[in-house]
Amino acid sequence: LAKTTQPISMDSYEGQEVNITCSHNNIATNDYITWYQQFPSQGPRFIIQGYKTKVTNEVASLFIPADRKSSTLSLPRVSLSDTAVYYCLVGGRQAGTALIFGKGTTLSVSS
Amino acid sequence: NAGVTQTPKFQVLKTGQSMTLQCAQDMNHNSMYWYRQDPGMGLRLIYYSASEGTTDKGEVPNGYNVSRLNKREFSLRLESAAPSQTSVYFCASSEQGTKEQFFGPGTRLTVL
Repeated sequence: LAKTTQPISMDSYEGQEVNITCSHNNIATNDYITWYQQFPSQGPRFIIQGYKTKVTNEVASLFIPADRKSSTLSLPRVSLSDTAVYYCLVGGRQAGTALIFGKGTTLSVSS
Repeated sequence: NAGVTQTPKFQVLKTGQSMTLQCAQDMNHNSMYWYRQDPGMGLRLIYYSASEGTTDKGEVPNGYNVSRLNKREFSLRLESAAPSQTSVYFCASSEQGTKEQFFGPGTRLTVL
């Protein structure tokens, strides 16, 4: 499984756009990039998944450059409720493959 | 549709006691997982089951056993609990492989 590196923590203010970058230099050809969000005392929740270029949903955007060695999760106009831990995971989607969660990035949003 | 359910929500054990954490999902998912999360840490995979009838070790399997009872249920057993197993345990399921995983609410376990 590809190892990922992301910042331990980030701070932001309400209304700002937040970009969290994840490095995954040894990503394999069949690996996908997935981001999860976790609030205190809850299990993680899926945010977005992508393979290349850009993916957007109602919550976030995921930017993946052509070499796929990094990815950026973009959260538009964050609010206090976006304060959480964000995990970047890399892995294949074939049956039997499990993902490994790292320590994630703790995002703190202030007013 | 309850999603992923876990029982119990809280448990306190004494060192050496045994217990089984139960997990069930009603989404007809093939794959199920057990994670532990220690304070201030990310999740660490204990065991997973890619499909009914199969189980595999994750990052930290020592001290645990699992049973994939059927497609819906995946249990985690601590045969002889140790204080180092004090943690929050999460169960998760997914359609297959590394597609979106759905997590349960967690079980907070304290071993004295």
